Amino acid sequence: AQSVAQPEDQVNVAEGNPLTVKCTYSVSGNPYLFWYVQYPNRGLQFLLKYITGDNLVKGSYGFEAEFNKSQTSFHLKKPSALVSDSALYFCAVRDSFYGNNRLAFGKGNQVVVIP
Amino acid sequence: GAVVSQHPSRVICKSGTSVKIECRSLDFQATTMFWYRQFPKQSLMLMATSNEGSKATYEQGVEKDKFLINHASLTLSTLTVTSAHPEDSSFYICSAFTIERGGSYEQYFGPGTRLTVT
Repeated sequence: AQSVAQPEDQVNVAEGNPLTVKCTYSVSGNPYLFWYVQYPNRGLQFLLKYITGDNLVKGSYGFEAEFNKSQTSFHLKKPSALVSDSALYFCAVRDSFYGNNRLAFGKGNQVVVIP
Repeated sequence: GAVVSQHPSRVICKSGTSVKIECRSLDFQATTMFWYRQFPKQSLMLMATSNEGSKATYEQGVEKDKFLINHASLTLSTLTVTSAHPEDSSFYICSAFTIERGGSYEQYFGPGTRLTVT
């Protein structure tokens, strides 16, 4: 079975400081990994994904994530956080075995960027 | 990118009435649509998976007679909350799944529907 763990409930960071949101995963096959952001009363916005290729993936709004197979992690990072980055962030994984089209979501991390 | 719409975005209804939520893929055909429910500051809980022209597959603990899903075409799925009660108040999000040229699996999310049952 596929699963995702986001160990922290809330991440607080000062504006301008680096932001990291942690994610680890568990799959049977190869992982397809995703990060989404959600603002209040809105749907999920896609940030980035890892399917194959370079371990460092660059996405929207200056975010990037690094796939680490040995640590089964896919942490989301941004070099310099903005107040507007305050939102709920979800990591998700899909196992690569044929016919699987379901995403497993982590519990989400509330990011608070302090001005 | 591909767009998924939901209608209505917000609905308030009285206890005992039924509410229908529409989910449309606007510029692509979705082989599968997913319905999620989300409580405040919590993760998305998958309720059911629907494929066009066939019955939906419900997750354990989700009442199929209460949450009726119809997937009439490759661009439209509906979720009807029947005999709604205040505990059904939640944020409902649909997602459309497609296999794009090149074989990549892509899943696109709707903006969500806030249901409040009074």
